[in-house]
Amino acid sequence: GAVVSQHPSRVICKSGTSVKIECRSLDFQATTMFWYRQFPKKSLMLMATSNEGSKATYEQGVEKDKFLINHASLTLSTLTVTSAHPEDSSFYICSARDLTANYGYTFGSGTRLTVV
Amino acid sequence: SQKIEQNSEALNIQEGKTATLTCNYTNYSPAYLQWYRQDPGRGPVFLLLIRENEKEKRKERLKVTFDTTLKQSLFHITASQPADSATYLCALDEGTNAGKSTFGDGTTLTVKP
Repeated sequence: GAVVSQHPSRVICKSGTSVKIECRSLDFQATTMFWYRQFPKKSLMLMATSNEGSKATYEQGVEKDKFLINHASLTLSTLTVTSAHPEDSSFYICSARDLTANYGYTFGSGTRLTVV
Repeated sequence: SQKIEQNSEALNIQEGKTATLTCNYTNYSPAYLQWYRQDPGRGPVFLLLIRENEKEKRKERLKVTFDTTLKQSLFHITASQPADSATYLCALDEGTNAGKSTFGDGTTLTVKP
């Protein structure tokens, strides 16, 4: 089945630094990938839709300059949290869908970001 | 406004019983509905997808129903096992070109031996 690999799984960074999270579709091509943020005991909040070869589409209230998304190939999307602050600490998850298969979205294993 | 509600935040049942989780929605016209399982600290894992013109889907011990009149989906796990303990999320997709799914807050199921 479809596999999405997300790295790193955990990262601790200092305030003011930037962190890059990678999301790869391993056995299928994904023209579209999705980035979510999840707070404890809460559901997934869609941050943005990553489009291969074009600009990402951000959800209302999500800062484009804060969360930079790049989707340079059909198998890789990256999310960069710029000038991170403690309030950016969260669980970030990406997903993609194999359009050749008749099932839902495949999620990465998530990245736990802690900003100290 | 649009809303997805999963019946309860937590559900505790005895091993061997059937767990039934509910997903209700308002102000959506979903083309299909999905159920996912999420374990702590992990990304969701896809379980089942049911389309608007389907009443029921089964996969091993799992069964999903979809009633577009009631605007409700029921997710059943029969012969539940402690290993089924996890958070279960429902997600709606309206089938637009955006391809986005909207998720409920989830129900945490605990199956006691």
